[in-house]
Amino acid sequence: SAVISQKPSRDICQRGTSLTIQCQVDSQVTMMFWYRQQPGQSLTLIATANQGSEATYESGFVIDKFPISRPNLTFSTLTVSNMSPEDSSIYLCSVEGAGATDTQYFGPGTRLTVL
Amino acid sequence: QKEVEQDPGPLSVPEGAIVSLNCTYSNSAFQYFMWYRQYSRKGPELLMYTYSSGNKEDGRFTAQVDKSSKYISLFIRDSQPSDSATYLCAMTPYGKLTFGQGTILTVHP
Repeated sequence: SAVISQKPSRDICQRGTSLTIQCQVDSQVTMMFWYRQQPGQSLTLIATANQGSEATYESGFVIDKFPISRPNLTFSTLTVSNMSPEDSSIYLCSVEGAGATDTQYFGPGTRLTVL
Repeated sequence: QKEVEQDPGPLSVPEGAIVSLNCTYSNSAFQYFMWYRQYSRKGPELLMYTYSSGNKEDGRFTAQVDKSSKYISLFIRDSQPSDSATYLCAMTPYGKLTFGQGTILTVHP
């Protein structure tokens, strides 16, 4: 399975600011995914990021709030813009598994607290 | 009604017990089924992956799928304190994972 790292691992931010989260994979992958995991909750898909195309956002998530970049096959960023305390969550990136299995492998997550 | 329902627990068992974790789903399009384990302050780790109805075994873990009943299970034999974590079922067609709420499991010595 791919080795995935995220930066930062955690951060505490002020209301109204923005934070960019980086996701790095040790192998080339076509599809990368960004999830949000609110306290005590399961994972909710924010968007799917394919290299060379615009990210596809799920219902309830918009590009102005969560802009995503995918400059190459091993890297992606998610920005959480104009943050409010409701954005306090764990943000996780994942990549597709090998073959037509629909599995995904996850990074360690970024724990964000907004004051 | 959520597409995937999972009892959130928490579930507390003694070491050595057999643990049964379950999910039900409503969408017949789900074809691939996964179980993830998530330790506190870590990302989810893929434990088991199944496609067809029936059982799949990997060491102490057995994944069971019953597509006719839209029901999947994960059994853990000889549970260990190191199995204490949140277990998430997930399923998909076409690469978009839908997760259950997760079951918090504690195995006490």
